[in-house]
Amino acid sequence: EVQVVESGGGVIRPGGSLRLSCIASGFTFDDYMMSWVRQVPGKGLEWISRINGNGDTTDYADSVKGRFTISRDNAKNALYLQMTSLRAEDTALYHCARERIRNWFAPWGQGTLVTVSP
Amino acid sequence: QTVVTQEPAFSVSPGGTVTLTCGLSSGSVSSTHYPTWYQQTPGQAPRTLIYSTTVRSSGVPDRFSGSILGNTAALTITGAQADDESIYYCVLYVRTGISVFGGGTKLTVL
Repeated sequence: EVQVVESGGGVIRPGGSLRLSCIASGFTFDDYMMSWVRQVPGKGLEWISRINGNGDTTDYADSVKGRFTISRDNAKNALYLQMTSLRAEDTALYHCARERIRNWFAPWGQGTLVTVSP
Repeated sequence: QTVVTQEPAFSVSPGGTVTLTCGLSSGSVSSTHYPTWYQQTPGQAPRTLIYSTTVRSSGVPDRFSGSILGNTAALTITGAQADDESIYYCVLYVRTGISVFGGGTKLTVL
């Protein structure tokens, strides 16, 4: 079964850092781009970052550029999101997703919740 | 900053046809924006309906179709059913490396 499972979320103070992980299974991990997409509970989806299969190309939404870093370890089938200088507006459910074709995110994990609060 | 626009809400009668659109704050949508449509119900991860403008994802009923309509991408539901009541999101590849989701359209079937 093709699946991705996120972890690493939690409650963090503004200005703090957190690293999210996503473990993939059921497919050849390094054949695919991977993305992070977040969703504030009750609100819309926001694409925030993408990395290509070998990890040498990364892209970021303006809202996280310079604060978040996406990376991957293909030997471990793992995707990461290092988040720094966290703000209240970063509070969201963070999903990782395989990107089969540009913008075609599938599957999605159930997400890991990040809450930035004093 | 590029904004992807969607109707905030739409309603359709059971059995009816509805077309949701996905536009850009500046310029026209084309296949080079890789329009992709997702359906999301409360508490669930998004489900892919349409990718690459017109391609129906595996298992998606053929009452869902994607197209370019004028200067927007469009999702048409023909013969709407009660369980189509969901939020529909589009996403566009707006410039090199960057994807942007629309705000979503809440579809009511009544």
